[in-house]
Amino acid sequence: GQNIDQPTEMTATEGAIVQINCTYQTSGFNGLFWYQQHAGEAPTFLSYNVLDGLEEKGRFSSFLSRSKGYSYLLLKELQMKDSASYLCAGVKPNYGGSQGNLIFGKGTKLSVKP
Amino acid sequence: EAGVAQSPRYKIIEKRQSVAFWCNPISGHATLYWYQQILGQGPKLLIQFQNNGVVDDSQLPKDRFSAERLKGVDSTLKIQPAKLEDSAVYLCASSFTAYNSPLHFGNGTRLTVT
Repeated sequence: GQNIDQPTEMTATEGAIVQINCTYQTSGFNGLFWYQQHAGEAPTFLSYNVLDGLEEKGRFSSFLSRSKGYSYLLLKELQMKDSASYLCAGVKPNYGGSQGNLIFGKGTKLSVKP
Repeated sequence: EAGVAQSPRYKIIEKRQSVAFWCNPISGHATLYWYQQILGQGPKLLIQFQNNGVVDDSQLPKDRFSAERLKGVDSTLKIQPAKLEDSAVYLCASSFTAYNSPLHFGNGTRLTVT
């Protein structure tokens, strides 16, 4: 199976740091993506991990441990505009060699308060 | 670069009626996806195309849903007849056909079936 689990909601304070966790069954994912989705808008790409370890991109970092089926997204110096849903997505391989498709979790709704 | 274009933005129909959605991917993106996103859920893949061929349609309800990408560029997703449970946002995404390149999403079509 390829279930992906994330907390449903989180709340944090402006200027703080928040970590959003994602766990998944370890069978078959080729990598892990994080997307941000504001209400009523399309998901936008944040980060991608294919190897274990930390990927840093400005205020956003993402970590992956393939052996543990675990990833997290770290948001630093939170801003009000970071209030959104954060979607964890595993890459399901296509064995024909073409681009894999994404299996999404249900998303974590983050509310940033002043 | 221009993003993924989708139309219409909103659609309201009665159950048992038909509806069609259109998508034009980013120029040069050979891989095109249709996702269904029910309120409060993550996107769920309906169908993936590589150029004009279907790569994965395992979760497409084929008794009522159909999709085509005849010339390997834009695509149409059709529902006939619609059911109440089809109310959702239908997201089109595209990507380069390269290992684990990110998906770029359109703004989606919000379908309400009454």
